[in-house]
Amino acid sequence: KAGVTQTPRYLIKTRGQQVTLSCSPISGHRSVSWYQQTPGQGLQFLFEYFSETQRNKGNFPGRFSGRQFSNSRSEMNVSTLELGDSALYLCASSPRSGDGYTFGSGTRLTVV
Amino acid sequence: LAKTTQPISMDSYEGQEVNITCSHNNIATNDYITWYQQFPSQGPRFIIQGYKTKVTNEVASLFIPADRKSSTLSLPRVSLSDTAVYYCLVGDRGSGNTGKLIFGQGTTLQVKP
Repeated sequence: KAGVTQTPRYLIKTRGQQVTLSCSPISGHRSVSWYQQTPGQGLQFLFEYFSETQRNKGNFPGRFSGRQFSNSRSEMNVSTLELGDSALYLCASSPRSGDGYTFGSGTRLTVV
Repeated sequence: LAKTTQPISMDSYEGQEVNITCSHNNIATNDYITWYQQFPSQGPRFIIQGYKTKVTNEVASLFIPADRKSSTLSLPRVSLSDTAVYYCLVGDRGSGNTGKLIFGQGTTLQVKP
C-alpha cells in the first residue's frame, strides 16, 4: 500500500514569506502528526491532528499552524518565515492516536 | 512521557551483532518502548516495539528486563546499510496518548567494512 506522501520534497523560500506543506497519510489512517528536524534541536513535535481536530501541540510559536481535512490529508503552514525555520519537516500518520506511526520522507525547507 | 538516555554513537563492523541500550528510569506502567531507525534526509522508520521480556521480528530483537528501566535493541549481523541513527522512545500506546512522540538525540551507528 502507498506510504505517507509529503509534497513538495524540497522548497526554497525567502525570509518573511509564508509556506504551506502537504501530507497525505496512509489510507485509513486518521491521525497525522508533524515534526521539525534540525541538526541543533533534533526531532521536535509540532502538532497532531485526529479526525480534523488538533489534539496536541508542541512548543512552537503561533507562526506554525496546521489543519486536517475530512479525507485525513493535512497541511501545515509557516508564516513570516525566519532563517531558523530551515529544517526537514516530517509528517507521520497512524490508524489511531498513539500507535503505529509511519513517517513520510519529509519536506526540506530552506529559508534564505 | 519518560525521558530516555542512549549512547550518542557506536561503531561496528559488518557481520557483527550490535546491541544499543536505552535507559528509561521513569517509565510508567502503561508505557511501551519503541525503536525507530532513520537514514539521512528520510523519516524515521519503525523497527520494533515491546512492553516486557523479549520481542523479536525479522530485523531486530528487543530485550526488556523485569524492572523495565532499560531496554536493549539487538541488530544481528549488521551490514553497511544499517548505518543510521537509532531512536528509543517510551510512551503510552493507549487512548491517553495524544500522538506526541518524544525523540531524544538517538544513537548514530556507523558500520564499517
